[in-house]
Amino acid sequence: DAGVTQSPTHLIKTRGQQVTLRCSPKSGHDTVSWYQQALGQGPQFIFQYYEEEERQRGNFPDRFSGHQFPNYSSELNVNALLLGDSALYLCASSLVGGGTYEQYFGPGTRLTVT
Amino acid sequence: GQNIDQPTEMTATEGAIVQINCTYQTSGFNGLFWYQQHAGEAPTFLSYNVLDGLEEKGRFSSFLSRSKGYSYLLLKELQMKDSASYLCAVRDSNYQLIWGAGTKLIIKP
Repeated sequence: DAGVTQSPTHLIKTRGQQVTLRCSPKSGHDTVSWYQQALGQGPQFIFQYYEEEERQRGNFPDRFSGHQFPNYSSELNVNALLLGDSALYLCASSLVGGGTYEQYFGPGTRLTVT
Repeated sequence: GQNIDQPTEMTATEGAIVQINCTYQTSGFNGLFWYQQHAGEAPTFLSYNVLDGLEEKGRFSSFLSRSKGYSYLLLKELQMKDSASYLCAVRDSNYQLIWGAGTKLIIKP
């Protein structure tokens, strides 16, 4: 049973560039949430996708956008990168109606903006 | 505003017991989660509390008091591999997870 996978593992970009991060949820899960985690901090909620639509959004600017595909996989896009966007980006999947809504996390993508 | 407070760092001895506290103020409450995160890795689920009381799972237990906005994670028979950050997260009225900054637990031999 495949868990949550993310790609790439690491990424280095320059200020002003755009980046796309990818996530495949755990088998059987239909909901994907994205988080940004700065060093030494807890994850910050970016947004959540369910049924190919953004259902909830945290306090992040419009430079952060996403997409969910029919196979439940998801992408996170960040435009006009800033130095402050350097962080670990975590994808978590869950099952709507799955009781506790426990989220399973992928290994993350470490983004460095120079 | 919404706020989750946990101690920044704690130190304990191998074989001992440690309690990590979490207090929260959120807009609504739909459950509290504890996650373990080793350095450079993703968080892994430890426990879930939605009703008051103690939930026990092996060496780990988690307690919740909704009236006090308080939870703790109890780790028994500490092992060196328990050295990690422990994250408290509350699901608010919108079913969003609000996370604390985490408690770094250092285990000494």
